[in-house]
Amino acid sequence: SQTIHQWPATLVQPVGSPLSLECTVEGTSNPNLYWYRQAAGRGLQLLFYSVGIGQISSEVPQNLSASRPQDRQFILSSKKLLLSDSGFYLCAWATDRMIGELFFGEGSRLTVL
Amino acid sequence: AQKVTQAQTEISVVEKEDVTLDCVYETRDTTYYLFWYKQPPSGELVFLIRRNSFDEQNEISGRYSWNFQKSTSSFNFTITASQVVDSAVYFCALSEAAYSNYQLIWGAGTKLIIKP
Repeated sequence: SQTIHQWPATLVQPVGSPLSLECTVEGTSNPNLYWYRQAAGRGLQLLFYSVGIGQISSEVPQNLSASRPQDRQFILSSKKLLLSDSGFYLCAWATDRMIGELFFGEGSRLTVL
Repeated sequence: AQKVTQAQTEISVVEKEDVTLDCVYETRDTTYYLFWYKQPPSGELVFLIRRNSFDEQNEISGRYSWNFQKSTSSFNFTITASQVVDSAVYFCALSEAAYSNYQLIWGAGTKLIIKP
């Protein structure tokens, strides 16, 4: 069966520090991968998605970047965090056959102070 | 333009009551898909249902039911005999066939509180 893991679960970082959130998927190959952000009390914002290794599409101009070094690994990064980067970050995967049926990780809560 | 509206920001009911979560969507595409996801307090979103635009049949799954009406562009979600475990944020979403990789357009979510 397929599983998705992301870490760390909780992170408190000072403004200006770097960020790295990791997400890995098991049990499937060539998945579409997604990074979403959810600000407190608000909906989901798609940040990045990837349809293959090294293929990253950005939905929102921002202080963040994503990379997909391996088929089932998706990394969200920042060189210098801003206060506005605080939020709940969710990784998800899907296949083209599944048409919108996303499987989400447990989420990473980032607080920038 | 595509849009999903969940006008109810928060709903609070007592356990065993029935509750309906509203979802209204906008799309110009004739082929599209509608979804509901549940986000319990743990944070991980869980897929509940997908409906395509050519299938207006209502769906029932246990205590959950969905009413899809193209005439009113709505895809409402009803929980019958609610339970405390139903407490969560529920998201409605839309995906258009013409949209790359069937990316989802999300509503803002409705927070459902079930009181014991």
